[in-house]
Amino acid sequence: GAGVSQTPSNKVTEKGKYVELRCDPISGHTALYWYRQSLGQGPEFLIYFQGTGAADDSGLPNDRFFAVRPEGSVSTLKIQRTERGDSAVYLCASSPVPPQRGSYNEQFFGPGTRLTVL
Amino acid sequence: QQPVQSPQAVILREGEDAVINCSSSKALYSVHWYRQKHGEAPIFLMILLKGGEQKGHDKISASFNGKKQQSSLYLTASQLSYSGTYFCGTEFTSNTGKLIFGQGTTLQVKP
Repeated sequence: GAGVSQTPSNKVTEKGKYVELRCDPISGHTALYWYRQSLGQGPEFLIYFQGTGAADDSGLPNDRFFAVRPEGSVSTLKIQRTERGDSAVYLCASSPVPPQRGSYNEQFFGPGTRLTVL
Repeated sequence: QQPVQSPQAVILREGEDAVINCSSSKALYSVHWYRQKHGEAPIFLMILLKGGEQKGHDKISASFNGKKQQSSLYLTASQLSYSGTYFCGTEFTSNTGKLIFGQGTTLQVKP
């Protein structure tokens, strides 16, 4: 079946502009995660959705970053007033069920969106 | 809170073995291992739960020492396809799905 898809695959923007990054999780997956990966580093957690609600947004760097998942499927990561330091690969992952104590679920990652802020 | 992986890089010949370690200073609930090739998405390898366990499939296995907050990934008789960067992702005392990843270990397998 189809995996996690992300669009666009590449986004180049100018400092100060607004960008939206889209994630289509695997059909039926209720948990969705956003990570940011800088060159040579591991993925850095940003936010986690369980259904439509953000269950943990503690990784969002500041209030320029916002994410939504209005229907519990597709999610959009929104970045306002972009800065050069926002340049990175933004990864989305999904899991089939919400994490519960006593169970553990693998996260399926998408190919990422490479954001470059000039 | 970021786990520390060692070594940072490994170069092997086909058929050789490797061990990648992941250590945390904070109590862990679980450890997730992923492999990522350049320009691609991380691919799930396995999850280990606290309490100490060992898992494996094919020639890749892992262990988790819950007392020492350490996990090790064992690659046996390495193949060219094993090349890539290996990340451990850690969950702390509550099972939230929020993973904190190490900085990665780059593995290169040569013919």
